[in-house]
Amino acid sequence: AQSVTQLGSHVSVSEGALVLLRCNYSSSVPPYLFWYVQYPNQGLQLLLKYTSAATLVKGINGFEAEFKKSETSFHLTKPSAHMRDAAEYFCAVSGGNSGNTPLVFGKGTRLSVIA
Amino acid sequence: NAGVTQTPKFQVLKTGQSMTLQCAQDMNHNSMYWYRQDPGMGLRLIYYSASEGTTDKGEVPNGYNVSRLNKREFSLRLESAAPSQTSVYFCASSDSWREIDTQYFGPGTRLTVL
Repeated sequence: AQSVTQLGSHVSVSEGALVLLRCNYSSSVPPYLFWYVQYPNQGLQLLLKYTSAATLVKGINGFEAEFKKSETSFHLTKPSAHMRDAAEYFCAVSGGNSGNTPLVFGKGTRLSVIA
Repeated sequence: NAGVTQTPKFQVLKTGQSMTLQCAQDMNHNSMYWYRQDPGMGLRLIYYSASEGTTDKGEVPNGYNVSRLNKREFSLRLESAAPSQTSVYFCASSDSWREIDTQYFGPGTRLTVL
């Protein structure tokens, strides 16, 4: 069974500062990993995904994440925060290789950006 | 393409009433999902349909039923609504043959049960 732990339900950064949102996973099979973003009163939008190709994955809006098998982590980073990055971010894992596998989501991290 | 659409956007029910949440996708995806989102709980899977004609329970299926009407549509029914079902409901779809396990989400339905 897969599970995801997101460390910190709320992260606050200053505009222009580094964004680091933490995600650790547990999986009995090679995982596929995802980061989604949810802006207020909207659905979830895919930011990026790891599907066993390059371990450093680049996504939309300047975000990237690195898959580290030894640490079972898939942390999300952005070098310089912008006000428009304020949203809730969800890490998710699937079993991979099996197709049509439901995702298991973390509880989410709310990112606030201070001017 | 509209992607994933959900109706209604908002709904208020009284305890014991029934209703059906509708979801449709125009991406020719095989799989569809229903989640509920509650504060501090993330998204929890209610039911999913891996392909047309099949449905399976997720983490929190009690109090819900689903119908995969055709490849495009997947509905969620609350037979007798309870206040504990107050939540935001999201539908999603995916096609793992093209994009492994990548799900695309609708805008959500905000349901309040009084």
